[in-house]
Amino acid sequence: EDQVTQSPEALRLQEGESSSLNCSYTVSGLRGLFWYRQDPGKGPEFLFTLYSAGEEKEKERLKATLTKKESFLHITAPKPEDSATYLCAVRGSGYALNFGKGTSLLVTP
Amino acid sequence: NAGVTQTPKFQVLKTGQSMTLQCAQDMNHNSMYWYRQDPGMGLRLIYYSASEGTTDKGEVPNGYNVSRLNKREFSLRLESAAPSQTSVYFCASSVSADLPRYGYTFGSGTRLTVV
Repeated sequence: EDQVTQSPEALRLQEGESSSLNCSYTVSGLRGLFWYRQDPGKGPEFLFTLYSAGEEKEKERLKATLTKKESFLHITAPKPEDSATYLCAVRGSGYALNFGKGTSLLVTP
Repeated sequence: NAGVTQTPKFQVLKTGQSMTLQCAQDMNHNSMYWYRQDPGMGLRLIYYSASEGTTDKGEVPNGYNVSRLNKREFSLRLESAAPSQTSVYFCASSVSADLPRYGYTFGSGTRLTVV
């Protein structure tokens, strides 16, 4: 059974204070690891797809990396508008994505 | 482009009532999904439709039924609502269930309360 564990559950940063979010996974035959951003009262918004260990993707202040057991979402010099819940999901042998419970990020000015 | 549209946005039901949640996408996607999101539980898959004419159960299908009406529309029906079905329901779509390279596009959700 696919399992996705995200840590920490919540993270509070000062503006400009870089940090990383972790997504550990267990899956039979990884066919993709996905990062989403979710703002309060809205649906998740797609950020990245990673397929193989060593792969990296970047978008503005966000950088996602992948190893055989975990993925990191690095946030460089965050701004208050980066405050959101970040969700990690994996696709294994089944058709649908399995999501972690998310990390709630708050960036204060 | 509207993307994925869900209706209604909010709903309060009494125990035992039935209702249908509607979802439509305008991106010509082949695959559609229904998830529920509960505090501390994350997103859990209820049903999905890999392509028009097919539907399959997800992790938590009990108490729900779905209909893939056409390529654009995928509805979720609660036949006899229970308080345990109080949740936020999200519909999503993707180009293909087999190759979700571009991820899912989610709707804005339906907030359902069963009293």
